[in-house]
Amino acid sequence: GENVEQHPSTLSVQEGDSAVIKCTYSDSASNYFPWYKQELGKGPQLIIDIRSNVGEKKDQRIAVTLNKTAKHFSLHITETQPEDSAVYFCAASTNTDKLIFGTGTRLQVFP
Amino acid sequence: KAGVTQTPRYLIKTRGQQVTLSCSPISGHRSVSWYQQTPGQGLQFLFEYFSETQRNKGNFPGRFSGRQFSNSRSEMNVSTLELGDSALYLCAGRAGHTDTQYFGPGTRLTVL
Repeated sequence: GENVEQHPSTLSVQEGDSAVIKCTYSDSASNYFPWYKQELGKGPQLIIDIRSNVGEKKDQRIAVTLNKTAKHFSLHITETQPEDSAVYFCAASTNTDKLIFGTGTRLQVFP
Repeated sequence: KAGVTQTPRYLIKTRGQQVTLSCSPISGHRSVSWYQQTPGQGLQFLFEYFSETQRNKGNFPGRFSGRQFSNSRSEMNVSTLELGDSALYLCAGRAGHTDTQYFGPGTRLTVL
């Protein structure tokens, strides 16, 4: 069935360093890949997304890359700040509203 | 503009009871999806409604049901509650012309 694997489950970095979170999806028909940030007591907030016809997308300190052949996509955060500390989820979908989520990565940025 | 609102934010019920949760998407967003979030299973898709019709359904038992009203507001109902139904229930709305789903803050349901 549809599955999205996400690694690592926890990630600790020093402020100013980069953080990379990786996901792998199983359904080759997947064509939309959003990333969400969830802070304690809040719902997931979209931070960046990419469609399958694009290999890379960047928004200030955040970038996402997609390798359709390998069915991998990754989130890159540069110059991390303490306020980047949260749980990050990747997801995949195939032209429907049914998002299949990864298991989440808890990112801690130490000042 | 106002974000996605969910009510109530917290709910405590006992086994066997039923519960109804409400979601109001951003104005103009006609698609509403529901997700269950638990520490063990993560975020799982429940169902999606568009123009008052259920278009997609996840792998949950029939005790979980939903509906959508003409103003796009949506409700989900869980009957005969079980301890394992304790979770954060999230709804997300989407405008018809984009892929982006905007999540609400969730309803924290505790079943005792």
